[in-house]
Amino acid sequence: DSGVTQTPKHLITATGQRVTLRCSPRSGDLSVYWYQQSLDQGLQFLIQYYNGEERAKGNILERFSAQQFPDLHSELNLSSLELGDSALYFCASSVAAGDLYEQYFGPGTRLTVT
Amino acid sequence: DQQVKQNSPSLSVQEGRISILNCDYTNSMFDYFLWYKKYPAEGPTFLISISSIKDKNEDGRFTVFLNKSAKHLSLHIVPSQPGDSAVYFCAASAGGNDMRFGAGTRLTVKP
Repeated sequence: DSGVTQTPKHLITATGQRVTLRCSPRSGDLSVYWYQQSLDQGLQFLIQYYNGEERAKGNILERFSAQQFPDLHSELNLSSLELGDSALYFCASSVAAGDLYEQYFGPGTRLTVT
Repeated sequence: DQQVKQNSPSLSVQEGRISILNCDYTNSMFDYFLWYKKYPAEGPTFLISISSIKDKNEDGRFTVFLNKSAKHLSLHIVPSQPGDSAVYFCAASAGGNDMRFGAGTRLTVKP
C-alpha cells in the first residue's frame, strides 16, 4: 500500500455527465499529481497541486478541473464526458513540490464512459 | 504494501557505459510491465514494456528483462547518454487493471 488512496475504484457513467474523482495523499505529502492512463497513450500528466495551489499543468482538457483542499486531499472534476475520456486516472503524491522524485501513486480510478 | 518496488532511489553512470535499473514486484498476478521515463517538470512518458509471456524485449538502446521466478525486472540502457538522465518508473498491471508504479529511480548520466 503506497499510502495514497483514490475513490472510487471504478466508475461507469454516460456521455455528457460529470464525475468527481477523489485522492488522499500520503500522510505528510503536500504535493498531489493527477495522471490519465489511456489505452494507446500511456501515462499522461494532467495537473499538479502543492499545498493547495496549482503548481503545474500538463495535458488537461478545459472540461477537466482539479483542486486541493486545506486537508490536502484533492479532487479531479471531469465534465461533459466523452467516450474518449474512458481511462485510468491516477493520483500521486510527494513531499516536495519540485520534480517527481519519490512520487507515490495511488491504485487509480477506472472511468468508463458509455 | 508496495507491490512494485524500486529499491535504488538514484543511480549515476558514465556516458557510454551501461545503466541498469531494477524493479521488484510481489504480486504474481502481474502480467504486464512497463517502464516510464520522466524529465523534471514534465509528465512521465512511456519507454518500453514487456508481457509476462516474454523474458526480454528490446527497443534500440533499451532492453527490459523479466525474471518471473524472481519477480524481478530490469531496464538496461546501452550506451547511456546524458539525455537519458531522468527519473525512471517501473509499473505493473494484472489483466490491464490497477497499474501499480514504483517510486522511481533517478538516473544521472555524466558526460
